[in-house]
Amino acid sequence: QSVLTQPPSVSGAPGQRVTISCTGSSSNSGAGYDVHWYQQLPGTAPKLLIYDNNKRPSGVPDRFSGSKSGTSASLAITGLQADDEADYYCQSYDSGLSNVVFGGGTKLTVL
Amino acid sequence: QVQLVESGGGVVQPGGSLRLSCAPSGFTFSSYGMQWVRQAPGKGLEWVAIIWYDGSENRYADSAKGRFTISRDNSKNTLSLQINSLRPEDTAIYYCARVLGNEGHWHFDLWGRGTLVTVSS
Repeated sequence: QSVLTQPPSVSGAPGQRVTISCTGSSSNSGAGYDVHWYQQLPGTAPKLLIYDNNKRPSGVPDRFSGSKSGTSASLAITGLQADDEADYYCQSYDSGLSNVVFGGGTKLTVL
Repeated sequence: QVQLVESGGGVVQPGGSLRLSCAPSGFTFSSYGMQWVRQAPGKGLEWVAIIWYDGSENRYADSAKGRFTISRDNSKNTLSLQINSLRPEDTAIYYCARVLGNEGHWHFDLWGRGTLVTVSS
């Protein structure tokens, strides 16, 4: 059971927009701690996609965006492409645990 | 080239020990906190441990307390993870990653390819 809750899977057709939710609690995202997002393509290491809720590292397309409100955060992907098919993880900090926490991951399927 | 390369994984019997290493290149290792994350086969990411840039502090996931030890040698540019009393449930790919931000805002911008640890008799 992950501290941050994500849907196990989402799907969308090429060109569409999809969102992935990440729900925490009052000891992590709800306490004001930032949420970060990672993309893990099949057979590869995770890659930082969004940091500090809504910032993109250099090289990440603006098709990817993040937002956060209260205890929930979201990753939005617009103009869906076949190579966006991957697992996506949210991550934050939990003050109760004094540790890093990850969501359980969401598998994105491009139909 | 800015990268991290893990090594030290392998097949080990339950109860055994293993020392994983992470070799950084292309950046000033001593300026960054570092961490380990693991991923069991077919499962999600599980945070394991973090160490401050100067080695002065570290933190562990509850699942790692008592059996895992994270350490670093800035003079040799090396990050390590010692794992004792290995259990089958420790079977996973172990990734090292570079830490950005202060506590509470940690995120990880550079990841290695991982090293596979298999615990089996």
